[in-house]
Amino acid sequence: GAVVSQHPSRVICKSGTSVKIECRSLDFQATTMFWYRQFPKQSLMLMATSNEGSKATYEQGVEKDKFLINHASLTLSTLTVTSAHPEDSSFYICSARGETNRGGGEKLLFGSGTQLSVL
Amino acid sequence: GEDVEQSLFLSVREGDSSVINCTYTDSSSTYLYWYKQEPGAGLQLLTYIFSNMDMKQDQRLTVLLNKKDKHLSLRIADTQTGDSAIYFCAEGSNTGTASKLTFGTGTRLQVTL
Repeated sequence: GAVVSQHPSRVICKSGTSVKIECRSLDFQATTMFWYRQFPKQSLMLMATSNEGSKATYEQGVEKDKFLINHASLTLSTLTVTSAHPEDSSFYICSARGETNRGGGEKLLFGSGTQLSVL
Repeated sequence: GEDVEQSLFLSVREGDSSVINCTYTDSSSTYLYWYKQEPGAGLQLLTYIFSNMDMKQDQRLTVLLNKKDKHLSLRIADTQTGDSAIYFCAEGSNTGTASKLTFGTGTRLQVTL
């Protein structure tokens, strides 16, 4: 069935490096992608929304030059955390809204999340 | 802005009922959702309720909505060990063609034997 595959599930990196997180939709056309961040014991917070082929819309307080989002196709969206610092350590999760290849109406599917730890 | 609150932890015995509570602040919410997250897995939609309903039942799951108090609950009957997970409530407000969800902190449900 339709799924959203998110990779990597866990990444540890040094401060100052960039990290790319991928979300691929399988058997699913992701017309809209949402990227969330969750700090420990806090809610999932929406970072940005992107429509396929368009620039992402960022929520207030989220730096667009730091969190680069690419949504060039209906099956792939990426989030790049540039020059990561320890305060960027968090759980990042993508969510895709769209239609399955077999019809059945619009759905909202979530990736499995990426735990980023910046040393 | 919108705010959604949940208690962080709930422990129940296998076979008992679990009730997970959630409060929200946005009175314009159109939909209210319950998601389940098992370890290492993505968020899985369990059920949802429209804001003009006060109850929805789906097999072992019962959702109650008190719109006046902005209170949402999820009851799991005959709780099983496989129900151990983190449960998120979320409220949705449609903005054009994209739905924005605001999530609670999640309630970790522990089912004991």
